[in-house]
Amino acid sequence: NAGVTQTPKFQVLKTGQSMTLQCAQDMNHEYMSWYRQDPGMGLRLIHYSVGAGITDQGEVPNGYNVSRSTTEDFPLRLLSAAPSQTSVYFCASSFSPGSSGNTIYFGEGSWLTVV
Amino acid sequence: KQEVTQIPAALSVPEGENLVLNCSFTDSAIYNLQWFRQDPGKGLTSLLLIQSSQREQTSGRLNASLDKSSGRSTLYIAASQPGDSATYLCAVKRGHNNDMRFGAGTRLTVKP
Repeated sequence: NAGVTQTPKFQVLKTGQSMTLQCAQDMNHEYMSWYRQDPGMGLRLIHYSVGAGITDQGEVPNGYNVSRSTTEDFPLRLLSAAPSQTSVYFCASSFSPGSSGNTIYFGEGSWLTVV
Repeated sequence: KQEVTQIPAALSVPEGENLVLNCSFTDSAIYNLQWFRQDPGKGLTSLLLIQSSQREQTSGRLNASLDKSSGRSTLYIAASQPGDSATYLCAVKRGHNNDMRFGAGTRLTVKP
C-alpha cells in the first residue's frame, strides 16, 4: 500500500533551472495538493486540484505550475528556480472535500535547494 | 485571513508526564481542525480530526478539543513516552475546498 509517493527526495538546482517534482497516489483520491514547509512558518498551500483536469492556486502559487491529467498524478513544475524556492515540498491527497472524515495523507517530502 | 498559532514552539518533558499542546486561530468560521504528527525527515500523519460541530475527539492516549468561539484547540497527551517525540501541527480547514492553514508546530521531546 504505497499511499502518496514523491520523487525525488533530494534535489539541488542552480538558479534559473527548471525541474518537476513528481507526486503519485494509489488511493483513488480526487483531491491533491502541494505545500511548501519553511522553518518557523508551517505549511503553505501552493496549488491544488479537485480532480483530473482541474487545478487552482493556493496561498503561494508564484513560480510554480501544476497539471492533473490523471487521478493518480499531480506534478509540480518549477519554471525558473530561485533561491527563495529552497524549501521542503509536500504532496498530499484526500477524498472529495465534501466527504465526512476527509483525512488527508501526505508524502514524505522533497528537499529542494536552489543555489 | 486565517492565522494559526501554536504555543509553545518547543516543549521538553520527562517520560510519563501528561501534557497539553495549544493551537489558536483567528477566524472561528472553520470547517474542521486536524492535528498532525511529523517525525524528522518525514511527512505528516493525521492524528485527530474534529469537525466544526464537534467539541472533542479521542484516540488512545490522545484527546483533542475544539472551542470555535474562542478560536482554540488543545491536544492532550496522556502518560507521554519517548516515542511521542515529534513535531505536532494543527491545521484548520476554512471551507469545503480543502484549503488548510497550518500552524508552525510544537516540537515535543519526551526524555526517558
